[in-house]
Amino acid sequence: GQQLNQSPQSMFIQEGEDVSMNCTSSSIFNTWLWYKQDPGEGPVLLIALYKAGELTSNGRLTAQFGITRKDSFLNISASIPSDVGIYFCAGPAGANNLFFGTGTRLTVIP
Amino acid sequence: DVKVTQSSRYLVKRTGEKVFLECVQDMDHENMFWYRQDPGLGLRLIYFSYDVKMKEKGDIPEGYSVSREKKERFSLILESASTNQTSMYLCASSLWTAGDNNEQFFGPGTRLTVL
Repeated sequence: GQQLNQSPQSMFIQEGEDVSMNCTSSSIFNTWLWYKQDPGEGPVLLIALYKAGELTSNGRLTAQFGITRKDSFLNISASIPSDVGIYFCAGPAGANNLFFGTGTRLTVIP
Repeated sequence: DVKVTQSSRYLVKRTGEKVFLECVQDMDHENMFWYRQDPGLGLRLIYFSYDVKMKEKGDIPEGYSVSREKKERFSLILESASTNQTSMYLCASSLWTAGDNNEQFFGPGTRLTVL
């Protein structure tokens, strides 16, 4: 069945450092979504990617849709304490459904 | 601003109780979803609905049922709560699409503890 592997599972970084995380799929996706979940809250959509090779930014966040269409990357530049949370990638799972990665838990040390 | 609300942020129930979790969206979305989230397991789909009175089983429907009597409201029901249903429950909604634009919008979650 479909597999969505997200890495790393967790990261501990110093404030000001850049962060990179990625997601790989066992099959081709036409869409990649990146969500962030603050502690105790629901996930919020950060970036949506619809085209292979696409690079999209949202403030300090940049996400890329891999050319193979089986992977995607999320980068956060100059991390700040409020970046802490769980970051999820997601891709289509049939009509109107999504597969979610298991998440990358980010801790930012002031 | 898009909004998905859930009836409770925190809930404590006893084993065997019937539990209702309510979700309301104000975006006129056709699709609504219930997930549970557990450490190390990510988001797992319990049930979803494409339209009023329609429901489809997700990956882990056992022990749960749902109700969608109105377009904006999707209820998750635990007929007889058990301790292994202690979890964070997340509701989401999205527009119906024939393509891959499946962006889902989430509520704040309900943290349910079953004692």
